[in-house]
Amino acid sequence: DTEVTQTPKHLVMGMTNKKSLKCEQHMGHRAMYWYKQKAKKPPELMFVYSYEKLSINESVPSRFSPECPNSSLLNLHLHALQPEDSALYLCASSQRGGASGSSGELFFGEGSRLTVL
Amino acid sequence: ELKVEQNPLFLSMQEGKNYTIYCNYSTTSDRLYWYRQDPGKSLESLFVLLSNGAVKQEGRLMASLDTKARLSTLHITAAVHDLSATYFCAGKSATSGTYKYIFGTGTRLKVLA
Repeated sequence: DTEVTQTPKHLVMGMTNKKSLKCEQHMGHRAMYWYKQKAKKPPELMFVYSYEKLSINESVPSRFSPECPNSSLLNLHLHALQPEDSALYLCASSQRGGASGSSGELFFGEGSRLTVL
Repeated sequence: ELKVEQNPLFLSMQEGKNYTIYCNYSTTSDRLYWYRQDPGKSLESLFVLLSNGAVKQEGRLMASLDTKARLSTLHITAAVHDLSATYFCAGKSATSGTYKYIFGTGTRLKVLA
């Protein structure tokens, strides 16, 4: 099973709403990632979890709050977002965080397309 | 900090022609990854290049890595319309024992019939 599953696929929310994006993988990967992608731009790293601990936060605003409840699940909690936060949010995972001895290939989910009104 | 650049940004080519996409990166990255993205879709892994001199081929696409020149190439042979997509390369860098993947600017390829 080489699948990363993201829900929901589409989300429309107002600026005062609270919502969450969910990501799940069952490949035994111990590194999980959130990327944000705007139209016609490359994916931009937001957060990295390694062994369920937050290892990298790329200076993301606090209105985005990641959570890793266990090694298979990754959530991104959204609160008080702005219209400019509308984007495709991609979850990815890799084996052992890409350490030597593994290819470090990133497997991406289908993404959650977020629209903030 | 690792920076990854691609050129060209846009590529319009006729079916049957050959072309190369270039990926340059700024600091050491012992692995280099190529991904394809169709409009409105997620990223699909194409190639993982693990070491200097690595060459991988799949169909009409061939990727290579020169770590000394900090350069990877994606060569397209006899392009067909189905190859129209955006192609990203990505390098890997370590920060406090954790790896992060930095993507290039992307090359939007359009193959004309």
